Amino acid sequence: QSALTQPPSASGSPGQSVTISCTGTSSDVGGYYYVSWYQQHPGKAPKLMIYEVSKRPSGVPDRFSGSKSGNTASLTVSGLQAEDEADYYCSSYAGNNHFVVFGGGTKLTVL
Amino acid sequence: QVQLQESGPGLVKPSETLSLTCSVSGGSISSYYWSWIRQPPGRGLEWIGYIYHSGTTNYNPSLRSRVSISVDTSKNQFSLRLSSVTAADTAVYYCARHKGPPPFDYWGQGALVTVSS
Repeated sequence: QSALTQPPSASGSPGQSVTISCTGTSSDVGGYYYVSWYQQHPGKAPKLMIYEVSKRPSGVPDRFSGSKSGNTASLTVSGLQAEDEADYYCSSYAGNNHFVVFGGGTKLTVL
Repeated sequence: QVQLQESGPGLVKPSETLSLTCSVSGGSISSYYWSWIRQPPGRGLEWIGYIYHSGTTNYNPSLRSRVSISVDTSKNQFSLRLSSVTAADTAVYYCARHKGPPPFDYWGQGALVTVSS
């Protein structure tokens, strides 16, 4: 069982928007602004898409956005494109002992 | 462009020690933290531990008794040792870079390690 809870699947048609949630506790998501989101295509390494809740690394399209409210973080993908189909993992800093926890992943399907 | 590359045996026998090395190119290993993260087949990600270039380490409490991470700054490499492995340790093992608290901004391509006799 993963420390952070994500829905196992999400889907949307091209051009639509989809939001993926990530629920933790006050010891991780709710306690820090170090929430990150990673995209993983089959057989590939995870790729950083969002960090510190809502910041995008250079090169990541602005169709990807992040937010947080209380113990739940969210990733929104707007204007869905076929190449967005992938697994998405959230993670949160959890203090020096546990350091980082991950969600179980959400498989995003572009219909 | 920073690149990370994992290397090591792809097959380890139960009860033996898994050993992997991550080679860093395109940048210095200094001034950064370096983590090992694993992903069992078809499952999610699990952080194993990190090392700072100075040698300071931090391990996942669930693996702490079996894990050791070391760094060789002269070779721009860091290594993972996981002892007393079982089938549950079968996974793709990734090395990754971070500046302190996550995010992990650079990842290796991953190395599949299978634990089997």
